[in-house]
Amino acid sequence: DVKVTQSSRYLVKRTGEKVFLECVQDMDHENMFWYRQDPGLGLRLIYFSYDVKMKEKGDIPEGYSVSREKKERFSLILESASTNQTSMYLCASSLRVSPLHFGNGTRLTVT
Amino acid sequence: AQSVTQPDIHITVSEGASLELRCNYSYGATPYLFWYVQSPGQGLQLLLKYFSGDTLVQGIKGFEAEFKRSQSSFNLRKPSVHWSDAAEYFCAVGPTGGGNKLTFGTGTQLKVEL
Repeated sequence: DVKVTQSSRYLVKRTGEKVFLECVQDMDHENMFWYRQDPGLGLRLIYFSYDVKMKEKGDIPEGYSVSREKKERFSLILESASTNQTSMYLCASSLRVSPLHFGNGTRLTVT
Repeated sequence: AQSVTQPDIHITVSEGASLELRCNYSYGATPYLFWYVQSPGQGLQLLLKYFSGDTLVQGIKGFEAEFKRSQSSFNLRKPSVHWSDAAEYFCAVGPTGGGNKLTFGTGTQLKVEL
């Protein structure tokens, strides 16, 4: 079974802090994704990566950056956290053409 | 640009009743289509997918979905709902060229009355 692990289930940070959300997958998947999930808005794609050191912007990249130094790890970075980034963050991975496998999510609260 | 519409935000059904969740998509060609389910506090789990071929696809937990190109729809069905099916359901569309950049609908929250 594919396992996608997000390092934190719950995170509370202050406005202006730099925040790192970590995601690791154990199935040698090429593709990795970061989505945020908000009530009534569904899932929106922030960034994705098709390979190590590659990254592409999704639909809502503003205020975020990513890092993929190793194939199994994809980090989401909030350079200066703001209250409107309070959300559930979901990481996913997949082979080149296959369904996404999701982690359990990180619920981030920015105060 | 691809998009997905799930017109029902909330649906309530009685246990044992049949279920249909609606999904309409917008895409320039034949897309890849997915249904995911999310239980409270969990990530998303794949229920079923359509890539090509038979337009009626079977998934896990007794769910099925039918791709109707003429209606741009991919509705999810289950003949008899169980209380454990209460969850949020998401329809998603992705490009046939691969890459898996999926676009999700806003979700349908299913409540099951005992």
